[in-house]
Amino acid sequence: EPEVTQTPSHQVTQMGQEVILRCVPISNHLYFYWYRQILGQKVEFLVSFYNNEISEKSEIFDDQFSVERPDGSNFTLKIRSTKLEDSAMYFCASSIDREAFFGQGTRLTVV
Amino acid sequence: TQLLEQSPQFLSIQEGENLTVYCNSSSVFSSLQWYRQEPGEGPVLLVTVVTGGEVKKLKRLTFQFGDARKDSSLHITAAQPGDTGLYLCAGTHWTDKLIFGTGTRLQVFP
Repeated sequence: EPEVTQTPSHQVTQMGQEVILRCVPISNHLYFYWYRQILGQKVEFLVSFYNNEISEKSEIFDDQFSVERPDGSNFTLKIRSTKLEDSAMYFCASSIDREAFFGQGTRLTVV
Repeated sequence: TQLLEQSPQFLSIQEGENLTVYCNSSSVFSSLQWYRQEPGEGPVLLVTVVTGGEVKKLKRLTFQFGDARKDSSLHITAAQPGDTGLYLCAGTHWTDKLIFGTGTRLQVFP
């Protein structure tokens, strides 16, 4: 069964460092998303991406964040200068008809 | 701000019991999805409802979208230990952004 895959599963980084979280969406899907879940809190929308551009973003998705689909298969989330409060599970999702399928997540720990 | 409140927040029951989880909002949603999430994993889609009053069944799970599309319920019949997990409702508001509920953590004891 097709699935969304994310790498790495865990990432520990020092505050101020840049991180890139990677995702391979389901191959025929057209819409791509990043969500995050801080420990013990709700899943929160970060950004949606369609037709090679951001279609919607949340207040969380500030100038420190960027997304890219560099090669037609990968979908990346970059955090330029990580802060302690960026520690969370980051989930990539993709959809073809607005039903989103989620990856296993990347646990980001900023120390 | 569109908020989705789920109740109860926690539920512990014995195998074989029935249960209902509620997802409520003051906002109208264009669609509502139910997910189940295991610890350390991503949400797994269970069902999508789009029409007010719609009822969908998935084996022992019954999902209903309220007539006004502001609320939804998930009913599990004869719960089993394998049903244990975090159940999340999530709504869309005429975009594809999902607004997640607060979650209901279900524990089913054998």
